[in-house]
Amino acid sequence: GAGVSQSPSNKVTEKGKDVELRCDPISGHTALYWYRQSLGQGLEFLIYFQGNSAPDKSGLPSDRFSAERTGGSVSTLTIQRTQQEDSAVYLCASRIGRGEGTEAFFGQGTRLTVV
Amino acid sequence: SQQGEEDPQALSIQEGENATMNCSYKTSINNLQWYRQNSGRGLVHLILIRSNEREKHSGRLRVTLDTSKKSSSLLITASRAADTASYFCATDNQAGTALIFGKGTTLSVSS
Repeated sequence: GAGVSQSPSNKVTEKGKDVELRCDPISGHTALYWYRQSLGQGLEFLIYFQGNSAPDKSGLPSDRFSAERTGGSVSTLTIQRTQQEDSAVYLCASRIGRGEGTEAFFGQGTRLTVV
Repeated sequence: SQQGEEDPQALSIQEGENATMNCSYKTSINNLQWYRQNSGRGLVHLILIRSNEREKHSGRLRVTLDTSKKSSSLLITASRAADTASYFCATDNQAGTALIFGKGTTLSVSS
């Protein structure tokens, strides 16, 4: 596609429910990243994909968080048993090649609110 | 961690003035990038400077890099109200598996 696309734009969920966030990166970008940004804060790295593999999952905050990528393209971030502290904007980015040293292209993010 | 740290955290200026934001990082880098974020949503890449470069220009943006001090600065000249946004520096981690961002500088330009 022309840019990185994320859906939904906004998601309100009840505490304890599971949510799935979707990221459609730029076609041909093999590097894909998920970040979390709490209100007024910087970006917190969550996970890095190279193709369908995730060589760096070090930023996932708990085992309630998981992500997968299929066909080297679309990625989904799943949060199980959501908690109020999960409320944040979740951003996805993609880069060409291995990513290092190249520009990152970001989606508009999904604003998750857990009530 | 290799995270960049920007300062100041917040900056308020008048239109036409210059805005300077600084970024410090902890370990050696191959390059450093600056991004802009409007209204807490997607980030937009502004400029990338490589470790063998000392200064780079793009329109009204000027970026410097001092690898001996592990610091970079972003200068926006003749600022406009539309420059109001948060600005972040970012560097790749040592493993090359993550682009790590600082906490950002929030710039407010009033007309």
